[in-house]
Amino acid sequence: EIVLTQSPGTLSLSPGERATLSCRASQSVSSSYLAWYQQKPGQAPRLLIYGASSRATGIPDRFSGSGSGTDFTLTISRLEPEDFAVYYCQQYGSSPRRITFGPGTKVDIK
Amino acid sequence: EVQLVESGGGLVQPGGSLRLSCAASGFTFSSYEMNWVRQAPGKGLEWVSYISSSGSTIYYADSVKGRFTISRDNAKNSLYLQMNSLRAEDTAVYYCARDKITMIPSGAFDIWGQGTMVTVSS
Repeated sequence: EIVLTQSPGTLSLSPGERATLSCRASQSVSSSYLAWYQQKPGQAPRLLIYGASSRATGIPDRFSGSGSGTDFTLTISRLEPEDFAVYYCQQYGSSPRRITFGPGTKVDIK
Repeated sequence: EVQLVESGGGLVQPGGSLRLSCAASGFTFSSYEMNWVRQAPGKGLEWVSYISSSGSTIYYADSVKGRFTISRDNAKNSLYLQMNSLRAEDTAVYYCARDKITMIPSGAFDIWGQGTMVTVSS
């Protein structure tokens, strides 16, 4: 089973700053199968990025994803107040289907 | 509006059973693969189960295999999760989530319900 590790656990930044979140896989992951989600307290997760770098519908272009193999990155170019949340990476494996999530990175206000 | 609404959560004793439902609206439910994902209090996300659009293919996480059963009724636009032999560690918010349709399967979930809380305790 592929294990995802996210770093840092918590990122303390100010609005307007750039956020760089890391997701590392224990084995190589196809870029097609890597996604990122944002979750705010008391809310369901929201899909931000799929296929490692494709933004989901309605996601602002300040969010971008990159990476391949075992190392993936979510970048928020300039933090807006509504971006302070927990971010999860997720990988998909087929035959049989297996979905695993990383432990999350909390982005909070410095 | 595209929407998923879960129901059926509650307090149940260890060893008990519960059936969760997820009502879909605003999209052609029968065209989409669906999932259940759970989140224990203060913890991260855990995928629980998957069902194909027709219901012919089903997968489970090892942690629930043999105890949980996923099903769907496309005529009723509904997804279900029958949970038996419940344990304290099954306590979580349970979300239904829709697979995003992409040219290459991505395993990404583009629509989520608001979740329903399941508490397993005596």
